[in-house]
Amino acid sequence: AQTVTQSQPEMSVQEAETVTLSCTYDTSENNYYLFWYKQPPSRQMILVIRQEAYKQQNATENRFSVNFQKAAKSFSLKISDSQLGDTAMYFCAFITARDDKIIFGKGTRLHILP
Amino acid sequence: GAVVSQHPSWVICKSGTSVKIECRSLDFQATTMFWYRQFPKKSLMLMATSNEGSKATYEQGVEKDKFLINHASLTLSTLTVTSAHPEDSSFYICSGNSGVRWGETQYFGPGTRLLVL
Repeated sequence: AQTVTQSQPEMSVQEAETVTLSCTYDTSENNYYLFWYKQPPSRQMILVIRQEAYKQQNATENRFSVNFQKAAKSFSLKISDSQLGDTAMYFCAFITARDDKIIFGKGTRLHILP
Repeated sequence: GAVVSQHPSWVICKSGTSVKIECRSLDFQATTMFWYRQFPKKSLMLMATSNEGSKATYEQGVEKDKFLINHASLTLSTLTVTSAHPEDSSFYICSGNSGVRWGETQYFGPGTRLLVL
């Protein structure tokens, strides 16, 4: 079965701090993409970052970076210099060539405190 | 990124009526569109995948006669909740990609909140 596990249902950090959201996944496929999506209170899903499984280099997007450990099937998201606007639900997800549909984790609710 | 719109954003209806939700890709051609359902504070649950011009593929447990999906053009997909009941109340989200290759980024609509009284 293909699954995504986010072990932290909820987290709170102070503004400007760095926070890491954990994610592990399970698939027997070798060809897949990993994603972090953000869902703010508006509930609009926004792509934060995307990683191709065959690339060893960790993806980065400004203050957002990932730690991709393929052997461990781990895909954590680091948010540096956190801002109030980062308050949202964060979903880890992946997609494989076989199914071409996104498998989502249950999400981590992140609160950035002023 | 690409833009996907949904209409309406909010709908309240009486039990037994049908409700249509539209999903439009505004600046790209969405060969493939996906419909999700999301309960409060929960993750997204895929309901069905639709490809332009063909019948939708429904996930296990989703009633195809209740949730009618039409993907008649490359920019429009519709979800009709037929004979809606209070248990159908939920947040419905669509997404799309151009379908050129697998793994393409999906672009999500802003969602439609349905309340069935």
